[in-house]
Amino acid sequence: QKEVEQNSGPLSVPEGAIASLNCTYSDRGSQSFFWYRQYSGKSPELIMFIYSNGDKEDGRFTAQLNKASQYVSLLIRDSQPSDSATYLCAVTRYSSASKIIFGSGTRLSIRP
Amino acid sequence: EPEVTQTPSHQVTQMGQEVILRCVPISNHLYFYWYRQILGQKVEFLVSFYNNEISEKSEIFDDQFSVERPDGSNFTLKIRSTKLEDSAMYFCASSGTGYRNTEAFFGQGTRLTVV
Repeated sequence: QKEVEQNSGPLSVPEGAIASLNCTYSDRGSQSFFWYRQYSGKSPELIMFIYSNGDKEDGRFTAQLNKASQYVSLLIRDSQPSDSATYLCAVTRYSSASKIIFGSGTRLSIRP
Repeated sequence: EPEVTQTPSHQVTQMGQEVILRCVPISNHLYFYWYRQILGQKVEFLVSFYNNEISEKSEIFDDQFSVERPDGSNFTLKIRSTKLEDSAMYFCASSGTGYRNTEAFFGQGTRLTVV
């Protein structure tokens, strides 16, 4: 079982709509959760982090964490063509807080 | 805004040669990392470094690899006797200003091509 799982996509969303990206993780000892955006050929760029159950909003982005179900999601409101990228879910665990484990990413395409 | 910087942006080396990839982490960060990403694949953890020693390393990080913080600002990854399969993007990252580790910020990467 993969430690961090994401649907590879591509996920195609019309401009202005809400994009919903999902991630599940296998280790119940996971403590910190991150969403990174990666454009082709570029480095991962941190866009959200969440540590506690519930929702966390930052501009057009909302991260949602449900530790009981072991999933974390990212909502992007009012999607723009510039949001087209691969979104990487990443986690750290209590037992190894200095190791950030990445999922394979979901490719998001915003169509005009 | 502070950022992680990496040099060089692209390195071409012959198989069997040694390469050193360099990184300047964000100045007040305490945790440093190296990750790699083979073309089309996921970002893979190599090693983390804290308080002048390796905190964790993956199974990829074998005796071929070493890390060093030679001074107060630089953080290096040395790959000895490079192999074709070492060709990848190598990312340096840094995080954490206190006891608790926090979100990591990545440099722009070094593309290593082994020929």
